[in-house]
Amino acid sequence: GAVVSQHPSRVICKSGTSVKIECRSLDFQATTMFWYRQFPKKSLMLMATSNEGSKATYEQGVEKDKFLINHASLTLSTLTVTSAHPEDSSFYICSALRTGHNYGYTFGSGTRLTVV
Amino acid sequence: KQEVTQIPAALSVPEGENLVLNCSFTDSAIYNLQWFRQDPGKGLTSLLLIQSSQREQTSGRLNASLDKSSGRSTLYIAASQPGDSATYLCAVHSGNTPLVFGKGTRLSVIA
Repeated sequence: GAVVSQHPSRVICKSGTSVKIECRSLDFQATTMFWYRQFPKKSLMLMATSNEGSKATYEQGVEKDKFLINHASLTLSTLTVTSAHPEDSSFYICSALRTGHNYGYTFGSGTRLTVV
Repeated sequence: KQEVTQIPAALSVPEGENLVLNCSFTDSAIYNLQWFRQDPGKGLTSLLLIQSSQREQTSGRLNASLDKSSGRSTLYIAASQPGDSATYLCAVHSGNTPLVFGKGTRLSVIA
């Protein structure tokens, strides 16, 4: 149990286009999800906290207009990288918070974004 | 602000050795600490979660300890195998913030 599905696993896009990444909790409801970015050989950097039915909370230095987050249901959060540039190329990972007796974090398998 | 440090950054050992990975955190007021494994280009797999009231957790060849007062945790891997090669991340949950991660330890187990 407690599976988080993240799609796509890899995406290559042209500069200036937008890319949407989906994060789904398959067998539990998640009112809170998190989006991380990871640079090569670096740790995970929290980008934003996604709250179901309300606006996301962005970390300092993360452009909310560039990284659009939508959490319209209890099982789905999406991250859209708008007007992508090569410097947006990175590994993006989502995480869903499990509440109740099975409290904890479950991570998606990540999305490798390459902007050419 | 919570900061998590992992030492060493990289470690290479021969197969069969027992090894210890270290994690330290600056704010001891934590809810829990979690160890993850990350294979290259992949997401995170949770290994062990230690609640603030616990001192250790065990799963198979893995044992994680927590000394909250000193801000330290260790991950002990017994009888290491080549399949254990990965990056191991320590993450701390405290306050109203989501997980704060260390930079990880890249482990290579040589057959």
